[in-house]
Amino acid sequence: DTAVSQTPKYLVTQMGNDKSIKCEQNLGHDTMYWYKQDSKKFLKIMFSYNNKELIINETVPNRFSPKSPDKAHLNLHINSLELGDSAVYFCASTRGTTSYNEQFFGPGTRLTVL
Amino acid sequence: DQQVKQNSPSLSVQEGRISILNCDYTNSMFDYFLWYKKYPAEGPTFLISISSIKDKNEDGRFTVFLNKSAKHLSLHIVPSQPGDSAVYFCAASLDYGGATNKLIFGTGTLLAVQP
Repeated sequence: DTAVSQTPKYLVTQMGNDKSIKCEQNLGHDTMYWYKQDSKKFLKIMFSYNNKELIINETVPNRFSPKSPDKAHLNLHINSLELGDSAVYFCASTRGTTSYNEQFFGPGTRLTVL
Repeated sequence: DQQVKQNSPSLSVQEGRISILNCDYTNSMFDYFLWYKKYPAEGPTFLISISSIKDKNEDGRFTVFLNKSAKHLSLHIVPSQPGDSAVYFCAASLDYGGATNKLIFGTGTLLAVQP
């Protein structure tokens, strides 16, 4: 009965490959997010969707494409992976669109690009 | 440009004593501040928040203080327990437009509570 789940937990791949990370929340929340935590431990927002609509799109290379098939799912597809994409990616969800509501985070996906 | 800073990467405290974690920010437009706690191999979990119009918010052993003139906030944990050992992230909420806002996180402080 995990609230926010991500798959896979670990992902090791070669440069140039395309990969996807999946996220699902069973909290009935309207808004979902993708965050990236880099090697310097900065946790930065990448995207946010509210009821399948993109509402936050930070300065992220267009190799990253989020997709929300329904409000319980937000997937992240990354094309042509680069070394600098290595990071931990966290999915999160919240009620409403204001981020000062408590955000619930998934356990993270550690992506390593070789 | 790092708008939210946690200048102490780590802090060690004895069980039962007070833990004080600090956070500084640069943007006066932040409207809410939040603290999240993170255990290894888990996602961050929400701990406590404070509106920019308040100067204190308390929840059990956790109290957050906000000093707007100094652009500084702190999290006090009293008494500290070994289970409090984790990384603590300070975050600030910024209006993104369209009734949406986003969180900007600091780099975290690793708290170790010694038994």
